[in-house]
Amino acid sequence: EAQVTQNPRYLITVTGKKLTVTCSQNMNHEYMSWYRQDPGLGLRQIYYSMNVEVTDKGDVPEGYKVSRKEKRNFPLILESPSPNQTSLYFCASSYRGINQPQHFGDGTRLSIL
Amino acid sequence: EDKVVQSPLSLVVHEGDTVTLNCSYEVTNFRSLLWYKQEKKAPTFLFMLTSSGIEKKSGRLSSILDKKELFSILNITATQTGDSAVYLCAVASGTYKYIFGTGTRLKVLA
Repeated sequence: EAQVTQNPRYLITVTGKKLTVTCSQNMNHEYMSWYRQDPGLGLRQIYYSMNVEVTDKGDVPEGYKVSRKEKRNFPLILESPSPNQTSLYFCASSYRGINQPQHFGDGTRLSIL
Repeated sequence: EDKVVQSPLSLVVHEGDTVTLNCSYEVTNFRSLLWYKQEKKAPTFLFMLTSSGIEKKSGRLSSILDKKELFSILNITATQTGDSAVYLCAVASGTYKYIFGTGTRLKVLA
């Protein structure tokens, strides 16, 4: 089954404790992206990747890091999480970048205390 | 600054009604406009529009893009309770970025 898989689905943690949210897709997609969704602000793009070893900033990259060492994986790293990063996070992928519908994972709800 | 604005923010209708959701945008180097439906979890794809004036249809849903006036509409006819969701509009820019609107929350009452 074609899918985008995120882990963990839920996480409660404390300020400053490094965490990684994993994202994996099995569709051989070149383009992958991370979003955060907050009430009243909609989905905002954090980082995206056009292919292996090619990443770029979205609209809200501060406090996040990403890497794309393999085509199928695109982890999101919070080196020193803060409460303002409490949010619902989605990973998405598409075959190529623009002009292709994105497939979304089921989301990761992060709470930073 | 790129932006996508959706209206209305929320809408309550009765089954059988027709609804029109709006999406206007100001984006540099426009590439495409996409509509998604979000129920409890992940957004799911509905339509992608790249050319003005060409209507896309899928069952009771249809959408059209006006690149001159910079907007798109999503129509849902004969609404059903299963149409209750948040409808998201996203615009793809030439720099491989996506800009989403805040969504329209639709509730269809039986």
